[in-house]
Amino acid sequence: TQLLEQSPQFLSIQEGENLTVYCNSSSVFSSLQWYRQEPGEGPVLLVTVVTGGEVKKLKRLTFQFGDARKDSSLHITAAQPGDTGLYLCAGTTSGTYKYIFGTGTRLKVLA
Amino acid sequence: GAVVSQHPSRVICKSGTSVKIECRSLDFQATTMFWYRQFPKQSLMLMATSNEGSKATYEQGVEKDKFLINHASLTLSTLTVTSAHPEDSSFYICSASPRLAGLTDTQYFGPGTRLTVL
Repeated sequence: TQLLEQSPQFLSIQEGENLTVYCNSSSVFSSLQWYRQEPGEGPVLLVTVVTGGEVKKLKRLTFQFGDARKDSSLHITAAQPGDTGLYLCAGTTSGTYKYIFGTGTRLKVLA
Repeated sequence: GAVVSQHPSRVICKSGTSVKIECRSLDFQATTMFWYRQFPKQSLMLMATSNEGSKATYEQGVEKDKFLINHASLTLSTLTVTSAHPEDSSFYICSASPRLAGLTDTQYFGPGTRLTVL
């Protein structure tokens, strides 16, 4: 069974702090997506990474795909209360369009 | 672009009844649609993959006779929870993929449907 483990599971920080969320697997993924989900809503796509070692930036968010395409990280600089939510990574393996979702990281940013 | 809608957003039903949830791609044709289930404070679990005009492929452990999926057109898939029981209460989310050649396998997610079975 392919698993995507996210860490930490929960994170509560003060506004202005930096944080990193990790997404790890023993499987190789052809692409990996990061989503943010708010309560009662569907996940919203933040980024897709497809190349090993790829780094993408989205304002204060920096995403990195591991060289071996087995892991990824999301770094948030100067977190704001609006960043609060459930962060999910999801990977796809070669030959399939199915997503395997990570275990999720629940972030709370306190004002 | 790439908007996916779900209807209803919330539904409460009595135990033993059936409930139908619709998933529509509003501005693109979705060759493939996916149905997920999400329990409180947990991640999404894939239930089934449906391709337009063919039978859905269910994940291991998902009862195909209980969760009926129909993907009759390129913009509509439906999930029917038959003979619902309280343990079927959950947040059901669909996603749609255009799966056009040359594009990444991006899925666009609907807003979800909260099902509560009394």
